[in-house]
Amino acid sequence: DGGITQSPKYLFRKEGQNVTLSCEQNLNHDAMYWYRQDPGQGLRLIYYSQIVNDFQKGDIAEGYSVSREKKESFPLTVTSAQKNPTAFYLCATGDDKRETQYFGPGTRLLVL
Amino acid sequence: SQKIEQNSEALNIQEGKTATLTCNYTNYSPAYLQWYRQDPGRGPVFLLLIRENEKEKRKERLKVTFDTTLKQSLFHITASQPADSATYLCAPGNTGKLIFGQGTTLQVKP
Repeated sequence: DGGITQSPKYLFRKEGQNVTLSCEQNLNHDAMYWYRQDPGQGLRLIYYSQIVNDFQKGDIAEGYSVSREKKESFPLTVTSAQKNPTAFYLCATGDDKRETQYFGPGTRLLVL
Repeated sequence: SQKIEQNSEALNIQEGKTATLTCNYTNYSPAYLQWYRQDPGRGPVFLLLIRENEKEKRKERLKVTFDTTLKQSLFHITASQPADSATYLCAPGNTGKLIFGQGTTLQVKP
């Protein structure tokens, strides 16, 4: 997770609340990704961005939103529309070849 | 739909033995396949990438094979050590997108 930071490490959400997960990178990578990981399941892609000011939905985008205003930053907002938000959220970057991905340390989101 | 399958049961082996993990995929033609290691509560770490035109790749005690006919990859750790205990994720990919398996947990006992 060297050049990728995610904060906070743990986040608690109340009913009806939107929360934002931070992801910052200093690897100078254009591509950034958000995944969700649930116990016993593979990582599922929420959103990804190949370049600043552009992003695409992944496989499970409903209830989430993102922005990519700076190359270094790709914040993820979990909205109140996401009914089952409890999971481990991972941010990743992709190198110029768009093959290998580099992951941050993750944020664990819990619902109060 | 695309499906990636890894052994869901944990693999327990004795230190010094070779661990072999399996990854099968269906409805997919990846250009490459990657293996990642994930420790509890942490993000995955890249280990190896093998391309569709490569049969085998090695890195230190790690070896990966890729059979596009069988749609299968095998991941071997030789002379395993307790420090190799972790969950290993298989991730076939194409044009910048990876599809991750659920991972196989390896436990190496001293």
